[in-house]
Amino acid sequence: DAKTTQPPSMDCAEGRAANLPCNHSTISGNEYVYWYRQIHSQGPQYIIHGLKNNETNEMASLIITEDRKSSTLILPHATLRDTAVYYCIVRDHTGTASKLTFGTGTRLQVTL
Amino acid sequence: GAVVSQHPSRVICKSGTSVKIECRSLDFQATTMFWYRQFPKKSLMLMATSNEGSKATYEQGVEKDKFLINHASLTLSTLTVTSAHPEDSSFYICSARPAISYQETQYFGPGTRLLVL
Repeated sequence: DAKTTQPPSMDCAEGRAANLPCNHSTISGNEYVYWYRQIHSQGPQYIIHGLKNNETNEMASLIITEDRKSSTLILPHATLRDTAVYYCIVRDHTGTASKLTFGTGTRLQVTL
Repeated sequence: GAVVSQHPSRVICKSGTSVKIECRSLDFQATTMFWYRQFPKKSLMLMATSNEGSKATYEQGVEKDKFLINHASLTLSTLTVTSAHPEDSSFYICSARPAISYQETQYFGPGTRLLVL
């Protein structure tokens, strides 16, 4: 039972901003939105996470809508090294499971 | 940042043999580690959750006698694929969650590619 919906693929020109959308219309009040990415043949890399406020770090910005039903990951100046599969995951911090359930993600191709 | 290593990075073995994969958190202690499997062009599938000093919790459909998990210390978890067969060939990835109570982020290892001949 998928909790998030992402487009299967996107293209972005190098140097431009990459905006990756994610729908999570059934998100509950205590679930966070996490973003990871996986470059080919490597383990996933943590990017950013948030609850309801927008977040920014050295890698990306996370914009969460006011109703929290969707979010957008923004890579401000995409480079060829940002080509990867990006996963949007919603996860509860309470309880002991702390599991991450990966969907199919968005394959971002950054081109020259 | 938090670093997780895996060893070996790739292994080729004969059918029927057992293979052990190590997952280490290098600069933090992890009470909980997770093991995933990924087939080509597919997403990561959680196999089991490993808690230091206790038995692992396996996901539905994962054979605990085939995939033995040991989490003997706060920095090391091992996955042993017993009596491996070609269908066990896959990319095995571990992740670790820091022991700090407020830190919920998981950090992933680079993965181990297993090929069973």
